[in-house]
Amino acid sequence: DGGITQSPKYLFRKEGQNVTLSCEQNLNHDAMYWYRQDPGQGLRLIYYSQIVNDFQKGDIAEGYSVSREKKESFPLTVTSAQKNPTAFYLCASSFSSGQDTQYFGPGTRLTVL
Amino acid sequence: QKEVEQNSGPLSVPEGAIASLNCTYSDRGSQSFFWYRQYSGKSPELIMFIYSNGDKEDGRFTAQLNKASQYVSLLIRDSQPSDSATYLCGRGLTGGGNKLTFGTGTQLKVEL
Repeated sequence: DGGITQSPKYLFRKEGQNVTLSCEQNLNHDAMYWYRQDPGQGLRLIYYSQIVNDFQKGDIAEGYSVSREKKESFPLTVTSAQKNPTAFYLCASSFSSGQDTQYFGPGTRLTVL
Repeated sequence: QKEVEQNSGPLSVPEGAIASLNCTYSDRGSQSFFWYRQYSGKSPELIMFIYSNGDKEDGRFTAQLNKASQYVSLLIRDSQPSDSATYLCGRGLTGGGNKLTFGTGTQLKVEL
């Protein structure tokens, strides 16, 4: 089955810890994205990557880091510098030509204890 | 002014009625619009996209884009209780690297 997978589904973190959220896709998409969603809010872009070994900051990149070593994978690290990391994190992917549709993974819900 | 604005709702409509969801945007350079449906606790799923002025129909859904007035809407005909969800409007800019900017979403409730 083609699609986007995210793991884990739920993640609990103690304050001061870094955590890494996984995102994998087998859709042969060039571009991948990370969004954050807070209760009652829309999606805010954290980072995006249009090609392997390249990525750009989105609107709320502070306290986060990413890598894009493989076309299929775009992991997100939430660092201890992120002041309010509790949120629903969504990964998406698309072809990068034109304005192609973004498809979302199932999400990871991160809670800081 | 936010780049993409939606009324948070909730918008309540009776079963079988037409639900009208609206989205306004501030940048005249906007070129593409995407409507996503999001059930509580789940990830967004694509309903429709529209690039050109006018109407685009897909089953019970119709997207309407008016670039002169800077709004896009989603009409849902014959609303069903299963349509109850939050609807997100996303805007893409030409030359924007395929990034989307989303509104905060409108909660729709379809009542029996």
